[in-house]
Amino acid sequence: DAKTTQPPSMDCAEGRAANLPCNHSTISGNEYVYWYRQIHSQGPQYIIHGLKNNETNEMASLIITEDRKSSTLILPHATLRDTAVYYCIVRPLGMPGTYKYIFGTGTRLKVLA
Amino acid sequence: DSGVTQTPKHLITATGQRVTLRCSPRSGDLSVYWYQQSLDQGLQFLIQYYNGEERAKGNILERFSAQQFPDLHSELNLSSLELGDSALYFCASGPDSPLHFGNGTRLTVT
Repeated sequence: DAKTTQPPSMDCAEGRAANLPCNHSTISGNEYVYWYRQIHSQGPQYIIHGLKNNETNEMASLIITEDRKSSTLILPHATLRDTAVYYCIVRPLGMPGTYKYIFGTGTRLKVLA
Repeated sequence: DSGVTQTPKHLITATGQRVTLRCSPRSGDLSVYWYQQSLDQGLQFLIQYYNGEERAKGNILERFSAQQFPDLHSELNLSSLELGDSALYFCASGPDSPLHFGNGTRLTVT
């Protein structure tokens, strides 16, 4: 499984964009980048995923570098409710049930009022 | 609401005891994953099932076992409990992409 590296913590002012980096220098060509977040002790919540193109949904944007060795999750207008631990995961897509999600330690994002 | 149901929400038991945690996946999901999260720790992958078959094992202790039943619900059995087993236990289900997590069972071993 490709490994990811994330900063342990970050702060962001409310209303500003939060940019969360993730390094995945050993990523393979068939591996996707996924982002999840965990608010307090709730179950992790899926945010977004991508392969090589940038992706955007109602929650966030995902920017993947051209060499695919790193990515950035962008929360365009962070709110206090975005305070959470954010996990970056890489995994291949293939036959259903054949691959597991391995979570690292993530980035603890604190949105400041 | 993720559609993944975990019961019970809280469980308090004594050392040496055995408990069973239950997970009902989202309708139509065949995969079930179990994770353990100790206080202020990351999510540790325990085990994965797909349509009743074990597909992957992580850092699951021999005192722990799991199974997925024909109706696709899953149970995680923890035996000979130790204080260090106190943690949040999460179940997730999916068609693999993305995973949907339940709200967990908080186990306290006293």
